[in-house]
Amino acid sequence: DQQVKQNSPSLSVQEGRISILNCDYTNSMFDYFLWYKKYPAEGPTFLISISSIKDKNEDGRFTVFLNKSAKHLSLHIVPSQPGDSAVYFCAAGIGNQFYFGTGTSLTVIP
Amino acid sequence: EAGVVQSPRYKIIEKKQPVAFWCNPISGHNTLYWYRQNLGQGPELLIRYENEEAVDDSQLPKDRFSAERLKGVDSTLKIQPAELGDSAVYLCASSPYLGTSLLEQYFGPGTRLTVT
Repeated sequence: DQQVKQNSPSLSVQEGRISILNCDYTNSMFDYFLWYKKYPAEGPTFLISISSIKDKNEDGRFTVFLNKSAKHLSLHIVPSQPGDSAVYFCAAGIGNQFYFGTGTSLTVIP
Repeated sequence: EAGVVQSPRYKIIEKKQPVAFWCNPISGHNTLYWYRQNLGQGPELLIRYENEEAVDDSQLPKDRFSAERLKGVDSTLKIQPAELGDSAVYLCASSPYLGTSLLEQYFGPGTRLTVT
């Protein structure tokens, strides 16, 4: 049973435009959410997080939005750069339990 | 600062053979995690160590998988015997904090296992 889902396996965006990556979850009790970025042949690296008490968190070009009523999380990258091309995983957790999504492969076209 | 080191990076074995993966966490990190990532999926936690104690191994298939972290530093994950379905990337991560949190987890590059 997939508790965290990323329904778009891939996304292509022109350099300079906005990238929007989406994530849906099923457990309304999750109290923290994160995005990880993964380059080929490397482990995931932490990108940005948000707790369930917030609906937005911003860090430079990266903004995460949380819509608890829709159980939906999104990551906005503005402006997108070729170096952002990677696989992005969302993750959600509560206490000692956490789950990763299946990942979205982002390609930023120069 | 050196990151999480894993070896080997790639391993190809025949089914029913044993295999072992090694992880050296970041110096000083108390918590160590082993994950399995199947193709097209996100990482799934197999086992978590706090120092040398396995505090969460509920997702570890204990009939064929074993792990150890004898001195609370390096860790090995073993599969014996391997099955075709074990083909995956095995990720190790470490954290300076005790307890589970996705924050402050640093991942190694992983070991890609192919079972033929």
